[in-house]
Amino acid sequence: AQRVTQPEKLLSVFKGAPVELKCNYSYSGSPELFWYVQYSRQRLQLLLRHISRESIKGFTADLNKGETSFHLKKPFAQEEDSAMYYCALNVGYSTLTFGKGTMLLVSP
Amino acid sequence: DAGITQSPRYKITETGRQVTLMCHQTWSHSYMFWYRQDLGHGLRLIYYSAAADITDKGEVPDGYVVSRSKTENFPLTLESATRSQTSVYFCASSVNANTGELFFGEGSRLTVL
Repeated sequence: AQRVTQPEKLLSVFKGAPVELKCNYSYSGSPELFWYVQYSRQRLQLLLRHISRESIKGFTADLNKGETSFHLKKPFAQEEDSAMYYCALNVGYSTLTFGKGTMLLVSP
Repeated sequence: DAGITQSPRYKITETGRQVTLMCHQTWSHSYMFWYRQDLGHGLRLIYYSAAADITDKGEVPDGYVVSRSKTENFPLTLESATRSQTSVYFCASSVNANTGELFFGEGSRLTVL
């Protein structure tokens, strides 16, 4: 069965520090992975998808099929990055299986 | 304003009552989804719909009913609310089956006493 694991409920860093939000998946098919973000009092929104290999707001994520991982990284965290981050796996027909989420807190 | 809207945003009800959460989108997206968000569980798919009159179960469908008579509307009904259905409910839409990009509503916070 498909599964997305985000091992950290909370990640707290100081401004300017590197950030890595971990995501591991289990899926028998060809994985299609995403990171979604929910800022305080805003809607859940797509941050990036692995297929586009782009950098959004300084964040990148590389799909590692060998390690079944899709970790989200940013070299220098900003206070405005504080949010809840969800890793998601497309299991077909745009039905996404989400991880439990990681709250990122960036302190000044 | 175009987009996806949910109503009501907040609802308090009692155990055993029927509750309907509304979802409306103006993009004519084919796919629509209902998720619930709970602490410690993240987002879990309740039901989804590929088009009008086509719906299918997600991960946690028990106790919920959906319908999609029109493309733009996807109401979620709790036929007999239970305390375990206290949650934040998110409706979302997607233009097609391939993008994986979901557009979410603002959420409906439901409390069942």
